[in-house]
Amino acid sequence: QSALTQPRSVSASPGQSVTISCTGTSSDIGAYNYVSWYQQHPGKAPKLLISDVTKRPSGVPARFSGSKSGNTASLTISGLQAEDESDYYCCSYSGDYTWVFGGGTKVTVL
Amino acid sequence: QAQLVESGGGVVQPGRSLRLTCAASKFTFGHYAMQWIRQAPGKGLEWVAIIWDDGTQEYYSDSVKGRFTVSRDNSRNTVYLQMNSLRAEDTAVYYCARNDNSGYHTDYWGQGTLVTVSS
Repeated sequence: QSALTQPRSVSASPGQSVTISCTGTSSDIGAYNYVSWYQQHPGKAPKLLISDVTKRPSGVPARFSGSKSGNTASLTISGLQAEDESDYYCCSYSGDYTWVFGGGTKVTVL
Repeated sequence: QAQLVESGGGVVQPGRSLRLTCAASKFTFGHYAMQWIRQAPGKGLEWVAIIWDDGTQEYYSDSVKGRFTVSRDNSRNTVYLQMNSLRAEDTAVYYCARNDNSGYHTDYWGQGTLVTVSS
């Protein structure tokens, strides 16, 4: 149950796009299309942004999108806004009813 | 909108026990699996445990297996996390979260309760 690998931080100016990668293995991301992404503001509970690799729950802005290729999943934020400055975590089902999270990525809006 | 409220956190000595409670409301509790997820201070999220909607099955991360037990009382809309043989590395904010209809993601989270293991 090793953590998924995410970059520690990414940054961009308002209106630009950022992509956060999340690398796992053939036993988690590579094996299942059960990748989710969460946004967590300081001192707050995580909020679901993406499920099943690409699905956005109701209320999540369309500028958030997910994808997957092989053992790596990605979250793209298009048209970056000030309120998107936050921590982002990926999560994957890893079989046998267990899950694994990434280490988190801090997004800074310049 | 589903609501989850955790309680029971606090300061506890290494080797001692603590039970966390998560009270659910505004959804049909008995229809959903529930998870516990923790976050050490300044660190990332770590999956801890899951319990089936009917309470018949439970699964744990390797780091807590054999020490933690998740249970639920559907008549009280409550899920519990019994934590035994606590270690310093168990210090974290503990969140309970509801599994979504797919069963593979969590769609609602509580605000968390802080557990500090220290002598």
